[in-house]
Amino acid sequence: GQNIDQPTEMTATEGAIVQINCTYQTSGFNGLFWYQQHAGEAPTFLSYNVLDGLEEKGRFSSFLSRSKGYSYLLLKELQMKDSASYLCAVSLFTGGGNKLTFGTGTQLKVEL
Amino acid sequence: DTAVSQTPKYLVTQMGNDKSIKCEQNLGHDTMYWYKQDSKKFLKIMFSYNNKELIINETVPNRFSPKSPDKAHLNLHINSLELGDSAVYFCASSQAGTSGGYNEQFFGPGTRLTVL
Repeated sequence: GQNIDQPTEMTATEGAIVQINCTYQTSGFNGLFWYQQHAGEAPTFLSYNVLDGLEEKGRFSSFLSRSKGYSYLLLKELQMKDSASYLCAVSLFTGGGNKLTFGTGTQLKVEL
Repeated sequence: DTAVSQTPKYLVTQMGNDKSIKCEQNLGHDTMYWYKQDSKKFLKIMFSYNNKELIINETVPNRFSPKSPDKAHLNLHINSLELGDSAVYFCASSQAGTSGGYNEQFFGPGTRLTVL
């Protein structure tokens, strides 16, 4: 079975740093994705980790520990436009494609 | 240029009707997907096709039938629509995956289906 947990909601202040955690228990693992989804829009790719460690991309960083089944997304210098849902997804290779199993998403609200 | 497009964007229909949603991608990808996002925003995979071949078929009622006429198109036909089918349906595409390889999925804008 697949189980992916994220906090439901988080609130942070503009200019601050926020860390969104994701824990997973899955049968198989072929990487972990983070997606951003603004209300009424499609999910868009933020980051991918398949090896342990930190991946940095501008204001966004993502960390993975496979032994602990744990990842986090770090957002720095928060902006109002970062208010969105952040989806953690575990990838499982199925032959020909990767099946993404998503968590329920973390709704981030950035306040002044 | 739109990478992954879906039509229609909104679909309102009565229970019992049959409807189709179309998806097209111009990214040259080999694999396409259908996801359902319910009212609680939970995104769940339904189907995946690789080069017109079905490779993922989650536990979905057989009222849902995907069709892939070519690798750039994946359509979703739904028979005998029920209230519980109301959701946002997202199409996505990616390169064919490899074990240990990275292949980002690109999502279409979604189709909001409302069954009355």
